[in-house]
Amino acid sequence: DQQVKQNSPSLSVQEGRISILNCDYTNSMFDYFLWYKKYPAEGPTFLISISSIKDKNEDGRFTVFLNKSAKHLSLHIVPSQPGDSAVYFCAASASAGNNRKLIWGLGTSLAVNP
Amino acid sequence: GAGVSQSPRYKVAKRGQDVALRCDPISGHVSLFWYQQALGQGPEFLTYFQNEAQLDKSGLPSDRFFAERPEGSVSTLKIQRTQQEDSAVYLCASSLGLAQYNEQFFGPGTRLTVL
Repeated sequence: DQQVKQNSPSLSVQEGRISILNCDYTNSMFDYFLWYKKYPAEGPTFLISISSIKDKNEDGRFTVFLNKSAKHLSLHIVPSQPGDSAVYFCAASASAGNNRKLIWGLGTSLAVNP
Repeated sequence: GAGVSQSPRYKVAKRGQDVALRCDPISGHVSLFWYQQALGQGPEFLTYFQNEAQLDKSGLPSDRFFAERPEGSVSTLKIQRTQQEDSAVYLCASSLGLAQYNEQFFGPGTRLTVL
């Protein structure tokens, strides 16, 4: 049972436009959410995060929005660049004990076309 | 600065063979995680260390999987009697402290193929 869902396996956008990647979760105990970016043959690279006490976090071209009531978060990339082409993973964790394990979605493959 | 490194990067094993995968975390990082990523899937949690203590091994799929971090630094994931379903990329991640908001830094992974 997927606790973190990324329902779009792929997304294609034009350079300069906005990319919006979506993520839904089912576990109400999750209180910290992260986005990772992954290129082929490399490990995931941290992009941006948000705690459940916030509804928005911005870092340069990247903004993450959290809607707790809908158990939904999204990553906005503006403007999109060809170098942003990668697989994007949404991950979540719950503050339970000493384990900070991440629960991951299946990823969305973003292609930014020049 | 050095990031998380893993070796080997690629491993081909015959079914039934034992394998050992190594992870060198970022120096000084307290927390270390192992994840398994099957083709087309997201990473799945295997086990977690806080220094040398293995605090959670609930994600290990069977008793053929064993992980250790004896000195609180380098970690080894061992898989005994490998099976074809063990074929995956094994990712190691480390984070600085114990707080939830510490980012996990990932190594490049070891791609294991069991024939």
